[in-house]
Amino acid sequence: DTAVSQTPKYLVTQMGNDKSIKCEQNLGHDTMYWYKQDSKKFLKIMFSYNNKELIINETVPNRFSPKSPDKAHLNLHINSLELGDSAVYFCASSQGRTAVGETQYFGPGTRLLVL
Amino acid sequence: DAKTTQPNSMESNEEEPVHLPCNHSTISGTDYIHWYRQLPSQGPEYVIHGLTSNVNNRMASLAIAEDRKSSTLILHRATLRDAAVYYCILRDGLTGGGNKLTFGTGTQLKVEL
Repeated sequence: DTAVSQTPKYLVTQMGNDKSIKCEQNLGHDTMYWYKQDSKKFLKIMFSYNNKELIINETVPNRFSPKSPDKAHLNLHINSLELGDSAVYFCASSQGRTAVGETQYFGPGTRLLVL
Repeated sequence: DAKTTQPNSMESNEEEPVHLPCNHSTISGTDYIHWYRQLPSQGPEYVIHGLTSNVNNRMASLAIAEDRKSSTLILHRATLRDAAVYYCILRDGLTGGGNKLTFGTGTQLKVEL
């Protein structure tokens, strides 16, 4: 069983479209995250939710909106896609939100290409 | 989170030990040192973490300098499956850094037969 899963694995779309990426974790964790890895392989946090509450919101365009219907799911909706949104998006989860020893478990990534 | 400095790349032969260095001269007393790695086309995975004492687990060992300004991740016997980008990350022990991981550029480890 996959601990953190993401769908779709690949997403190719046109500029201006709206798309969603879904993430599910079956680890019973309370905290979930979205990270973005750009073309230079630089990996950066975007959002974090703890028990459906937004706790980290980095400087991300408001075209990106995370939604957590329950603590096992964290979806990422992107409006009006731009070329610069092309990247690999990783979902992750951890048991808690502050313990420094918390291990984060990452999904396999969603490769988004905006044409 | 404090900044870390790692070599861009390192090479190793299979079944030999690998020592991956990390400098963190501005580390604070409450910062923990974490290591994650990212295999090709996969998400990052946790390797090990420590505060002051050396740490061992089934994947690797972490050697922390006495002044904590540097650390070394040790893979005792590198295999081809260990070829990955290795990230050294500092996390605030008081807040967990809000639990976010701040990734640097990491070290690309190449393992050859």
